[in-house]
Amino acid sequence: EPEVTQTPSHQVTQMGQEVILRCVPISNHLYFYWYRQILGQKVEFLVSFYNNEISEKSEIFDDQFSVERPDGSNFTLKIRSTKLEDSAMYFCATPGGMNTEAFFGQGTRLTVV
Amino acid sequence: DAKTTQPNSMESNEEEPVHLPCNHSTISGTDYIHWYRQLPSQGPEYVIHGLTSNVNNRMASLAIAEDRKSSTLILHRATLRDAAVYYCILRDPFTSGTYKYIFGTGTRLKVLA
Repeated sequence: EPEVTQTPSHQVTQMGQEVILRCVPISNHLYFYWYRQILGQKVEFLVSFYNNEISEKSEIFDDQFSVERPDGSNFTLKIRSTKLEDSAMYFCATPGGMNTEAFFGQGTRLTVV
Repeated sequence: DAKTTQPNSMESNEEEPVHLPCNHSTISGTDYIHWYRQLPSQGPEYVIHGLTSNVNNRMASLAIAEDRKSSTLILHRATLRDAAVYYCILRDPFTSGTYKYIFGTGTRLKVLA
């Protein structure tokens, strides 16, 4: 069973619509990361979330994005009004420790049309 | 964060060893060297990491140069399933205060049957 499960695996949405991507870790992590990968490009850091607050965010993570931990067991990434350029794979991940690995989810492929 | 340099692509024959190089000449004394790989349409997957000494696990070996300015990921017997993009990443949460990974473009490994 994977450490991190993401749903949905693929989402198609119309431009301007809101989408919510979900991530469920097996263990009770307080700390979570979201990354994005546009097709053919690098994996890019979006935001880190610790104990129900954003601890760090990149320039990509603008006001259209938000993160939550709605019920204590899963994490969500919301894009309020999607743009064509939001089309990408979105990965959530545990942080890993000083000397331990991170676990990445299998990703959600978001297609904005 | 210190940068890493990897070849864009490499090829290997199935069941032969593969040596994937990584240069990191500006590495600091507290940077850990991490290797992840990304299979097609999947999230990054942990391979191995180390600080100073060579490391072995069930997936691979990591050989770290004595001056730590370069390292080599060794897959002892490549299989078709090892075809992926391999990322060499330096991370130092203690100094940087963050556990995020900064991905480069990695090395795309092609395994020939």
